[in-house]
Amino acid sequence: DQQVKQNSPSLSVQEGRISILNCDYTNSMFDYFLWYKKYPAEGPTFLISISSIKDKNEDGRFTVFLNKSAKHLSLHIVPSQPGDSAVYFCAASGTGGFKTIFGAGTRLFVKA
Amino acid sequence: NAGVTQTPKFQVLKTGQSMTLQCAQDMNHNSMYWYRQDPGMGLRLIYYSASEGTTDKGEVPNGYNVSRLNKREFSLRLESAAPSQTSVYFCASTDRGWAGELFFGEGSRLTVL
Repeated sequence: DQQVKQNSPSLSVQEGRISILNCDYTNSMFDYFLWYKKYPAEGPTFLISISSIKDKNEDGRFTVFLNKSAKHLSLHIVPSQPGDSAVYFCAASGTGGFKTIFGAGTRLFVKA
Repeated sequence: NAGVTQTPKFQVLKTGQSMTLQCAQDMNHNSMYWYRQDPGMGLRLIYYSASEGTTDKGEVPNGYNVSRLNKREFSLRLESAAPSQTSVYFCASTDRGWAGELFFGEGSRLTVL
């Protein structure tokens, strides 16, 4: 039973345009959500997070939106750059436990 | 800054062999984790240690054991390796428990023949 779902295995975007990566979750006990970026042969690195008390968090070109009623979050990258080409993992965690659960990942290709 | 260091980076085992993956962090973090990454499955939690002296099962603990040797080190042991354990293993740590960003090592690629 996947608690965190990323239904798009891959996404291709032109340089300079917006990239939108989506994530759905099923467990209403999650109250902290994170995005990680992973390049080949490297470990994932933290990108941006959002608490469930917020609906938006912005950091430079990266913005995460949270829709709690729909149990949905999205990561927007504007403008997209070729260096953004990587696998992006959505992750979620909650109080009362120390587990961070990851989605399957979305591979983003940004074409120059 | 070393951050999270994993050894070995690559390992090939035969079915039934045992091995231990080592992980050490130099950030004085309380919590440490072991994940495995498989195609189409993302990162799945094997075991975690919320603090020194404690360990708990994650999503896929079967076939693995762990030891939190001290605050810095968290090892993952495969007692009798199986082909299904062929994967890339990542160790991670954090100082903020459930609300903390995880810092990952570079990964250990394990192949079981």
